[in-house]
Amino acid sequence: ETGVTQTPRHLVMGMTNKKSLKCEQHLGHNAMYWYKQSAKKPLELMFVYSLEERVENNSVPSRFSPECPNSSHLFLHLHTLQPEDSALYLCASGDRGVTEAFFGQGTRLTVV
Amino acid sequence: AQSVTQLDSHVSVSEGTPVLLRCNYSSSYSPSLFWYVQHPNKGLQLLLKYTSAATLVKGINGFEAEFKKSETSFHLTKPSAHMSDAAEYFCVVSDRISSASKIIFGSGTRLSIRP
Repeated sequence: ETGVTQTPRHLVMGMTNKKSLKCEQHLGHNAMYWYKQSAKKPLELMFVYSLEERVENNSVPSRFSPECPNSSHLFLHLHTLQPEDSALYLCASGDRGVTEAFFGQGTRLTVV
Repeated sequence: AQSVTQLDSHVSVSEGTPVLLRCNYSSSYSPSLFWYVQHPNKGLQLLLKYTSAATLVKGINGFEAEFKKSETSFHLTKPSAHMSDAAEYFCVVSDRISSASKIIFGSGTRLSIRP
């Protein structure tokens, strides 16, 4: 266990659905990240939050909407996704004084 | 802008023989460098990290990596491979952005171990 918990672990959704991925960390970190891991592709950094403020957005389509209500929780709201959005979505947290990230187990998303 | 290149997408070695996974990086600043491992259907686990202290870094499970600034490399090694080492390995560079770190992954190297 890394102290970063993601729910759900698996999600199947239709292209017209709206769903949310949740990430929670109990490490006292103040930076949180969303990554996308697709088959045959490198991990893609999607969003970075520091002290609940978004500091990085890597040209992610607007059908992905992040939310960071406090330093322990991070959400990824999903709507009108495409089949190519099917992937493993990983959440991570880190601390300002330390540069490595601690990862959750991921949510395996399938868009049908 | 920082980036990291893993030179081999797949490495296969026999059990008991040495492992070498290659990584080159590009960074505008003094980077922090890491190796992560991902076993099938598992999350990412930190193997080791370099943060401008000793250039030879020891990690878990007998792995080591050496930071060579002149070659911009951070190759991962292990003297003797075990079957349990079969996994995907990621080289990672981290630079500061604002008050957080921007953590960029390489494309990964799949390590297979032959009995």
